[in-house]
Amino acid sequence: DGGITQSPKYLFRKEGQNVTLSCEQNLNHDAMYWYRQDPGQGLRLIYYSQIVNDFQKGDIAEGYSVSREKKESFPLTVTSAQKNPTAFYLCASSMRRAYGYTFGSGTRLTVV
Amino acid sequence: ILNVEQSPQSLHVQEGDSTNFTCSFPSSNFYALHWYRWETAKSPEALFVMTLNGDEKKKGRISATLNTKEGYSYLYIKGSQPEDSATYLCASDSNYQLIWGAGTKLIIKP
Repeated sequence: DGGITQSPKYLFRKEGQNVTLSCEQNLNHDAMYWYRQDPGQGLRLIYYSQIVNDFQKGDIAEGYSVSREKKESFPLTVTSAQKNPTAFYLCASSMRRAYGYTFGSGTRLTVV
Repeated sequence: ILNVEQSPQSLHVQEGDSTNFTCSFPSSNFYALHWYRWETAKSPEALFVMTLNGDEKKKGRISATLNTKEGYSYLYIKGSQPEDSATYLCASDSNYQLIWGAGTKLIIKP
């Protein structure tokens, strides 16, 4: 079955460390997105990519980095520059504008 | 930054009753309005994507309407069932980005 796989489900990071969250899709979707969710807030866009080897900053890109070397993969690195990284992270993909998004099951990152 | 507001924040409904909730969004540069259902421990699931003013979409017992001129959409659930318990998210697409509401958490009481 086609879908999006995020790993790991839970991740613990020490302060000062970089950590990479994985997102893989086999839906042949061109666009991929990373969102962050904090309690009581809507999803906020970190980065998005409309095509391989191209990506754009979202509303809260500071302290994060991404790459899009393959259509299927859009990993997110949370760097030590991100001041408040503890959150729930969702990856999504879509075929094109005005099509619904397909979401992964998320990664909960906790800084210890 | 454009704001998308959802109300109420949470809602308790008796099984079998019908219910509805609201998504308000800026009407300028509107392109599409998305509704998603997000059950606990699962991924958000797309319900509807609506683009035309006055449009109404239906999926089983769930339906949605859209008013792009005044900037609101209603989601209706007829005859609520326990499996309808979830957080319902809406998102407005303008300028090629989705702006998300914080969601309405629906709890169905048996």
